[in-house]
Amino acid sequence: NAGVMQNPRHLVRRRGQEARLRCSPMKGHSHVYWYRQLPEEGLKFMVYLQKENIIDESGMPKERFSAEFPKEGPSILRIQQVVRGDSAAYFCASSPPGRYGYTFGSGTRLTVV
Amino acid sequence: DQQVKQNSPSLSVQEGRISILNCDYTNSMFDYFLWYKKYPAEGPTFLISISSIKDKNEDGRFTVFLNKSAKHLSLHIVPSQPGDSAVYFCAAPGGGGSGNTGKLIFGQGTTLQVKP
Repeated sequence: NAGVMQNPRHLVRRRGQEARLRCSPMKGHSHVYWYRQLPEEGLKFMVYLQKENIIDESGMPKERFSAEFPKEGPSILRIQQVVRGDSAAYFCASSPPGRYGYTFGSGTRLTVV
Repeated sequence: DQQVKQNSPSLSVQEGRISILNCDYTNSMFDYFLWYKKYPAEGPTFLISISSIKDKNEDGRFTVFLNKSAKHLSLHIVPSQPGDSAVYFCAAPGGGGSGNTGKLIFGQGTTLQVKP
């Protein structure tokens, strides 16, 4: 029973490129969350999705960031035209409906050069 | 506005002694709290939680205490072990109400070092 799988683990992008981060939730989990951890800071909520639905995107920057969780396949966090300030660890978590304490993946560390 | 605060960035204790990690919150509507533990290059893992109807919850070496009037919670680890060395985050559901599987609001984290 695999946990939450994120890939890639490390991603290097030049300024202006696109970054695509993937997250496969645990089997049986229908809720996916994305968090960002900037250096020396805690985790900040970005977006909460269910299959084909964005439930809460209150933590997403207004521009360049988007997320989806299609009917088939992993959840994708897309960052267009990356800037140095996007360099961070991005964590995905999943949960079944109505449960506390969701499970996190190991994260994708994005470095923008 | 930082609704969940961990004011101590780091803590160092001797193996076998007690570790006490503190967390303060500002939103009196929070009614459920969680502690996560994070090792370098890994994602956070759920450790222990507490509902606001309780003032204590214990799980092995880990005990969480909640003081609602002070809007303060603490995590006690007894006895501390070198493998406990990690970053500890407290968190509260940001969507309101326990059982809500929406967003969590995390504190900044406290790095615990347990010396052998």
